[in-house]
Amino acid sequence: KNQVEQSPQSLIILEGKNCTLQCNYTVSPFSNLRWYKQDTGRGPVSLTIMTFSENTKSNGRYTATLDADTKQSSLHITASQLSDSASYICVVSAQTGGSYIPTFGRGTSLIVHP
Amino acid sequence: KAGVTQTPRYLIKTRGQQVTLSCSPISGHRSVSWYQQTPGQGLQFLFEYFSETQRNKGNFPGRFSGRQFSNSRSEMNVSTLELGDSALYLCASSLSGTGTHEQYFGPGTRLTVT
Repeated sequence: KNQVEQSPQSLIILEGKNCTLQCNYTVSPFSNLRWYKQDTGRGPVSLTIMTFSENTKSNGRYTATLDADTKQSSLHITASQLSDSASYICVVSAQTGGSYIPTFGRGTSLIVHP
Repeated sequence: KAGVTQTPRYLIKTRGQQVTLSCSPISGHRSVSWYQQTPGQGLQFLFEYFSETQRNKGNFPGRFSGRQFSNSRSEMNVSTLELGDSALYLCASSLSGTGTHEQYFGPGTRLTVT
């Protein structure tokens, strides 16, 4: 069964500090891995999309890494801001023929304090 | 460019009733995917439509169904509602599907079943 595990479940940091969120997966056959940011009461917003051959992808202060051998990904946030307070969701898609089936992690709830 | 819109935003229904939710994708996007988000299960994939055809399906009972029209607008229907169907229902659109193309989520429809 395809699974995506995220850690930590929740995280509290001070504004300006860096943090790293983890995502471990057992999804096969692997197609791509995405990180989303979801603010309370809103739909998720895409941060990065990574395929098998990509190790690192950046989007402003967000940097995602992917180790396809160990099936692990991380999302690093630098110089955190109050607006970074949100849930961060890792999604891994399996590809079978032309079909892509996503499996979602439960998310990491990040709170940034001033 | 207008984003993904979902109607209604909030809905209260009684057990046993049925409900229809609507999603209008970004102009030019041909793929629409539906997701259920609950505190207990997180985000789960329902199904994806592309060019009026269901292309992928998640692990949900047949009470959950959908369709897509020629203008790419999509509807999702849930029949014989159960209390456990209370959730945030999100739709997302993309150019061609859930592969490596960017997905854009709508704000969601909050369904409460009493």
